[in-house]
Amino acid sequence: GAVVSQHPSWVICKSGTSVKIECRSLDFQATTMFWYRQFPKQSLMLMATSNEGSKATYEQGVEKDKFLINHASLTLSTLTVTSAHPEDSSFYICSARVSNEQFFGPGTRLTVL
Amino acid sequence: QKEVEQDPGPLSVPEGAIVSLNCTYSNSAFQYFMWYRQYSRKGPELLMYTYSSGNKEDGRFTAQVDKSSKYISLFIRDSQPSDSATYLCAMKSNAGNMLTFGGGTRLMVKP
Repeated sequence: GAVVSQHPSWVICKSGTSVKIECRSLDFQATTMFWYRQFPKQSLMLMATSNEGSKATYEQGVEKDKFLINHASLTLSTLTVTSAHPEDSSFYICSARVSNEQFFGPGTRLTVL
Repeated sequence: QKEVEQDPGPLSVPEGAIVSLNCTYSNSAFQYFMWYRQYSRKGPELLMYTYSSGNKEDGRFTAQVDKSSKYISLFIRDSQPSDSATYLCAMKSNAGNMLTFGGGTRLMVKP
């Protein structure tokens, strides 16, 4: 299947700082990418849908000014958690769609102290 | 009622057993059905992708879709300890842009 990478895989930051997570489709071009967060022992929660060259579409309850998404190319989308707080600590996973199949990255574990 | 229902488990089976994982759904517009395997602290891995009713086999895995009953299954033959993970069903309509997930079933295969 198609390969999606994420960087970093793990990050610890201080409260109030911003963190950028990169998501890349390695062997295909993705016009649509998705960002999810997952709390322990829970299913994936869609945060936003990112389309190349246009503004992301955020799910209800997700603050667009806090979670900045940029999809500047067909192989790269970034999620920036701005002014991070301990409650933002979570597992963030990106995903890219090829036709009707959807492939996920390995995830980024964010811990905010 | 959730759009997609999945028994959370945990489901514990001995090595070599046949495992049956299931999801039911309420939205008749769903046309594409997927099963993902997720190990702890990892992203979901696409195992099976099916469109329309019927069976699809890949190695030890068989995906089954029954649209008339709004019921999908994943069978794992000769289960191995390495199959221990959380299995997520997901589905999508023709018009929809995003996947709807079940809550996941945690499987434990004991040696």
